[in-house]
Amino acid sequence: DVVMTQSPLSLPVTLGQPASISCRSSQSLVHSDGNTYLNWFQQRPGQSPRRLIYKVSNRDSGVPDRFSGSGSGTDFTLKISRVEAEDVGVYYCMQGTHWPLLTFGGGTKVEIK
Amino acid sequence: EVQLVESGGGLVQPGGSLRLSCAASGFTFSSYSMNWVRQAPGKGLEWVSFISSSSNTIYYADSVKGRFTISRDNAKNSLFLQVNSLRAEDTAVYYCARDTGTTGVDYWGQGTLVTVSS
Repeated sequence: DVVMTQSPLSLPVTLGQPASISCRSSQSLVHSDGNTYLNWFQQRPGQSPRRLIYKVSNRDSGVPDRFSGSGSGTDFTLKISRVEAEDVGVYYCMQGTHWPLLTFGGGTKVEIK
Repeated sequence: EVQLVESGGGLVQPGGSLRLSCAASGFTFSSYSMNWVRQAPGKGLEWVSFISSSSNTIYYADSVKGRFTISRDNAKNSLFLQVNSLRAEDTAVYYCARDTGTTGVDYWGQGTLVTVSS
């Protein structure tokens, strides 16, 4: 089974400063079709999760462009160019390459310093 | 507007059972596969089960295999999760989520809390 590992567990950030979250998979997420199905979710306090990014770097509708995803193979990164107060929450990576068996990372909590 | 509304959670003793429901609206339910995902208090997200649009394909996480049963009623736009032989470690908020294939899930419900305790 593929294991998704995120770091750091907690990320204190100053408003307006950038933030970066790492996600590593225990095996390559390159699908047999050539695509890489690594997705990112945001869960604000008290809310259900919301997908931000799919297929490594594609933003969902309505997601601000300060969020960006990158990476390949087994190493991926979610970046927030300038953190805003509404970005506080927990961020999860999730692999879909082995769909329908979905696997989430353990989460990274973004908080304001 | 896509809406997913879970219900059926509650307090149950170890070894007990519950039937969770998810009422879908705002999209053609019968065209989509669906998932259950859970989140233990203060913990991360754990995928639980998948069911294809026609119920032909079903998968479970190893942690629930043999105890949980997913089903759906496309005529009633409803998704279900029968949870049996409950353990303390099954305590969690259970979310239903619309499947988007390899890109995971897009819409989530608000969740229903299952608490397993004596």
